[in-house]
Amino acid sequence: EPEVTQTPSHQVTQMGQEVILRCVPISNHLYFYWYRQILGQKVEFLVSFYNNEISEKSEIFDDQFSVERPDGSNFTLKIRSTKLEDSAMYFCASSLDRVRDSPLHFGNGTRLTVT
Amino acid sequence: AQTVTQSQPEMSVQEAETVTLSCTYDTSESDYYLFWYKQPPSRQMILVIRQEAYKQQNATENRFSVNFQKAAKSFSLKISDSQLGDAAMYFCAYRRIGAGSYQLTFGKGTKLSVIP
Repeated sequence: EPEVTQTPSHQVTQMGQEVILRCVPISNHLYFYWYRQILGQKVEFLVSFYNNEISEKSEIFDDQFSVERPDGSNFTLKIRSTKLEDSAMYFCASSLDRVRDSPLHFGNGTRLTVT
Repeated sequence: AQTVTQSQPEMSVQEAETVTLSCTYDTSESDYYLFWYKQPPSRQMILVIRQEAYKQQNATENRFSVNFQKAAKSFSLKISDSQLGDAAMYFCAYRRIGAGSYQLTFGKGTKLSVIP
């Protein structure tokens, strides 16, 4: 079964550094998402992306965050200047379309640790 | 804003027994999706089952079934004949149906342990 893949599985970075989290969605999917899960807390929506632009974003997704689909396969989340509170598990997801019965498929996540 | 509440941080069940995980939600919408996702130690979020609010029949997927009570805004997950591989975090999630809305709202999760 096709999978959403995320790299790296764990990233450690220093506060203030830029970090790019990478995702390869399922190949025929058209909608892409980033979620995050701070340790011990609920999974939170960050952003959705379709047709090379952001469709929807949450309050968490401020100017420090950006997303990009640089080629036909990758979908990236960039955090420009990381803060300690950005430490979390970041999940990428994709869906085939936005019709009623199209579920989200999640990757295994990238654990980001900001020191 | 929609909220999803899972009141059981942890649950345990004996292997081969049945367990029910609770979920309640708050919304003013009349049509929406509800989901249960499983997150094993591998960390991947795996869709277990989904229910569309306008369908009165409770969804079933093999050993997994839901009890959807729309008026009470309750969406519990029943796992029958529990197996060791069922041990995981389980997240209840809500998704509004509408143009431009794709985000899932998750509960805090219930950690399920299966006792051999």
